[in-house]
Amino acid sequence: GIQVEQSPPDLILQEGANSTLRCNFSDSVNNLQWFHQNPWGQLINLFYIPSGTKQNGRLSATTVATERYSLLYISSSQTTDSGVYFCAVSIRAGGTSYGKLTFGQGTILTVHP
Amino acid sequence: DAGVTQSPTHLIKTRGQQVTLRCSPKSGHDTVSWYQQALGQGPQFIFQYYEEEERQRGNFPDRFSGHQFPNYSSELNVNALLLGDSALYLCASSPRQPYNSPLHFGNGTRLTVT
Repeated sequence: GIQVEQSPPDLILQEGANSTLRCNFSDSVNNLQWFHQNPWGQLINLFYIPSGTKQNGRLSATTVATERYSLLYISSSQTTDSGVYFCAVSIRAGGTSYGKLTFGQGTILTVHP
Repeated sequence: DAGVTQSPTHLIKTRGQQVTLRCSPKSGHDTVSWYQQALGQGPQFIFQYYEEEERQRGNFPDRFSGHQFPNYSSELNVNALLLGDSALYLCASSPRQPYNSPLHFGNGTRLTVT
């Protein structure tokens, strides 16, 4: 199956700092999503980005599908950015939708005031 | 527009018992997938349902079973609970078309097996 590796495993920042999270995957994918999981367990979809670059406020993401990696950028970090960031990928299986996501182990981000 | 809703939010069961978790997909979505997230791990795919049938399955034993109803809602059943089944169970929904639609997750059910 597809392997997904995220780095770094842990990241500690001061409020206002910038950061880059990386996701490497072992095979060609048709779906790549970045999620933020808050301390209450809620998994929030940040980006659907199988290729290219997207931006949403202080967050942006870039996926280079041919080189099998994706980057999530967080600028001017805030304490509310704390939590676990997951990268998840899947390939299309026959006529089915992309329900079978394979998740990485996540990056635990802690932002101090 | 309600998102994905799951019930109950928390559940405590005893080893050997059976449990049923419920999920209502986001409006307009007809595909439901279930994930198990152990403490400190990423979510792992259990299975996916659409058109009331199981379509894909991850590496989980037959003790894990599911059902999808005509209104697209879904249930996850776990029989003969083990201590290792303690986890956050997440439901995700998506539309079948377009096929590359992103998944939307519910807030999860936290199951504790004692």
